[in-house]
Amino acid sequence: QVQLQESGPGLIKPSETLSLTCAVSGGSISGLYWAWIRQPPGRGLEWIGYIHSSGSTLYNPSLKSRVIISSDTSKGQFSLKLKSVTAADTAVYYCATGGAPTRNPSWGQGTLVTVSS
Amino acid sequence: QSALTQPRSVSGSPGQSVTISCIGAGSDFGTSPYVSWYQQHPGKAPKLIIYDVSKRPSGVPDRFSGSKSGNTASLTISGLQAEDEADYSCCSYAGSYSYVVFGGGTKLTVL
Repeated sequence: QVQLQESGPGLIKPSETLSLTCAVSGGSISGLYWAWIRQPPGRGLEWIGYIHSSGSTLYNPSLKSRVIISSDTSKGQFSLKLKSVTAADTAVYYCATGGAPTRNPSWGQGTLVTVSS
Repeated sequence: QSALTQPRSVSGSPGQSVTISCIGAGSDFGTSPYVSWYQQHPGKAPKLIIYDVSKRPSGVPDRFSGSKSGNTASLTISGLQAEDEADYSCCSYAGSYSYVVFGGGTKLTVL
């Protein structure tokens, strides 16, 4: 089973771009969905989007105008960029992967990103 | 407001069974084979416990079972144990959503 590890700044300012990377180890990245999911403090999970190993992407419509998910197979990682952040984007951000959009057996430990001036 | 509605909380005593519901808005949910359930302990990443409505990943005890009838998916936990106390979230993908959606989560308390 693959292992995932998120990395990126823990504190960013409003209007900046949130950038996170998920390093993948211990398995192949072919034929899989690579997703970003977030969880605001004390609240439920929110799906941000995924990139398939084919390169196709799908985003949450509520975030679509601000989100880009990309992958770098040579480095064994995929990334999230979320533009024009506000305090409402403060959350624990998880990367996850699996064989179907709703089937994610592998998750990173999560990283807290706080948006504050 | 989530397109998948779950009760905020449920509770049960050790050894009992509890069922958590997940009600989908839209007719596509009723025909979608893509319903998953995740268990999340405080401060931990979610763990997949049910996928494709009723399938269990390897290592998940058969005390956990999933089903779906019409627009309502259900997670049943039988033989409750203290370690089952956690948050449970349903998740689905259907054409009408055009994306993956999570329910708001249900906190299970083992009395």
